[in-house]
Amino acid sequence: AQTVTQSQPEMSVQEAETVTLSCTYDTSESDYYLFWYKQPPSRQMILVIRQEAYKQQNATENRFSVNFQKAAKSFSLKISDSQLGDAAMYFCAYRRVGYALNFGKGTSLLVTP
Amino acid sequence: KAGVTQTPRYLIKTRGQQVTLSCSPISGHRSVSWYQQTPGQGLQFLFEYFSETQRNKGNFPGRFSGRQFSNSRSEMNVSTLELGDSALYLCASSTGLAGGLNEQFFGPGTRLTVL
Repeated sequence: AQTVTQSQPEMSVQEAETVTLSCTYDTSESDYYLFWYKQPPSRQMILVIRQEAYKQQNATENRFSVNFQKAAKSFSLKISDSQLGDAAMYFCAYRRVGYALNFGKGTSLLVTP
Repeated sequence: KAGVTQTPRYLIKTRGQQVTLSCSPISGHRSVSWYQQTPGQGLQFLFEYFSETQRNKGNFPGRFSGRQFSNSRSEMNVSTLELGDSALYLCASSTGLAGGLNEQFFGPGTRLTVL
């Protein structure tokens, strides 16, 4: 079974600074998808960014970018110019083609003024 | 376009009872997936329905069941409730099957408390 590990239960960052959230996964598949989801205190889960495993180029969405290292099975999320509204639980998720999302346990991000 | 809606938002039940949760996907979305979220186990996949057929199923006991109607609305049923079923139940919808890069849009969840 595929597992997703987020080794940082909590992280803290100051406003306007940059923070990186770590994620590693275990799989024997070569074709899969990776995602980062954000769950603010209101509880509605929102997709932040996604990456297809066959694409070498790292995905970027405005202030959010990933560092995808396929050989190392690593998929970290970098948040630049952090804002108070970025405070939330962040979940890394893996999806094998044709299967459901497999989530990590999450990283709680605190943003301080 | 309205987002994914889930009803009820909060529910309190006692052990042994059964419960039905409802999820209305975004208009035009044909796939509905259900997840259980608990502090200990995190987010776990329950099942996915597409065009009224169950397409994927997670590792949950048979007390957990679901169905999807022709309008894509979905219900999840839990029979013989146990204390461990207390959780936030999330529903997510997508245009196509959830097994690809299709974005899943999540609802606000139903908070179930079993006493």
